[in-house]
Amino acid sequence: GEDVEQSLFLSVREGDSSVINCTYTDSSSTYLYWYKQEPGAGLQLLTYIFSNMDMKQDQRLTVLLNKKDKHLSLRIADTQTGDSAIYFCAEKLFTGGGNKLTFGTGTQLKVEL
Amino acid sequence: EAGVTQFPSHSVIEKGQTVTLRCDPISGHDNLYWYRRVMGKEIKFLLHFVKESKQDESGMPNNRFLAERTGGTYSTLKVQPAELEDSGVYFCASSQAGRNNEQFFGPGTRLTVL
Repeated sequence: GEDVEQSLFLSVREGDSSVINCTYTDSSSTYLYWYKQEPGAGLQLLTYIFSNMDMKQDQRLTVLLNKKDKHLSLRIADTQTGDSAIYFCAEKLFTGGGNKLTFGTGTQLKVEL
Repeated sequence: EAGVTQFPSHSVIEKGQTVTLRCDPISGHDNLYWYRRVMGKEIKFLLHFVKESKQDESGMPNNRFLAERTGGTYSTLKVQPAELEDSGVYFCASSQAGRNNEQFFGPGTRLTVL
């Protein structure tokens, strides 16, 4: 089945690392994504990982994938106030009907000075 | 190049009224998707167009929702009659042809049904 879960809130201090976690249930997922939504804006793709990878690093962002446990995480190093946003994880499934993304509930990240 | 645009940005209507949301995808993108986020919950898939054809409408909640994409360019999503539980943010996304291409999202339309 398709179900993606995230914790709702995370608060960190500026300069610390943030780790946002996500669990999913469909083992046939091919790509897993992290999107960022700032107030009043659309969803911005931050990074993605292919399901046969364990880790992907992109500047301050590190994505870890534990396929056995169906667990995905996003680590933001040196978190800044501009990182305050809602972060959504999503999985892409190739279905007979085409591509669709299944999203989690989103994690509200608050960065405090 | 312009991104995905949606109109209106906000809509407040009364229960029983009709509302039409519009999405203009990135020029040349064959794939167009509608999603919605209700009451701070997860973002849920509604449907997927390939050009003017509905590829997958498995996420449409009921027959009060009608999506069209005449001519394969912009798309409309009409809710008639609107109910309280339809309140939420409706997102549109588009992508190029092909299975692996990134979906680019619009800013969303916030619909409030009173």
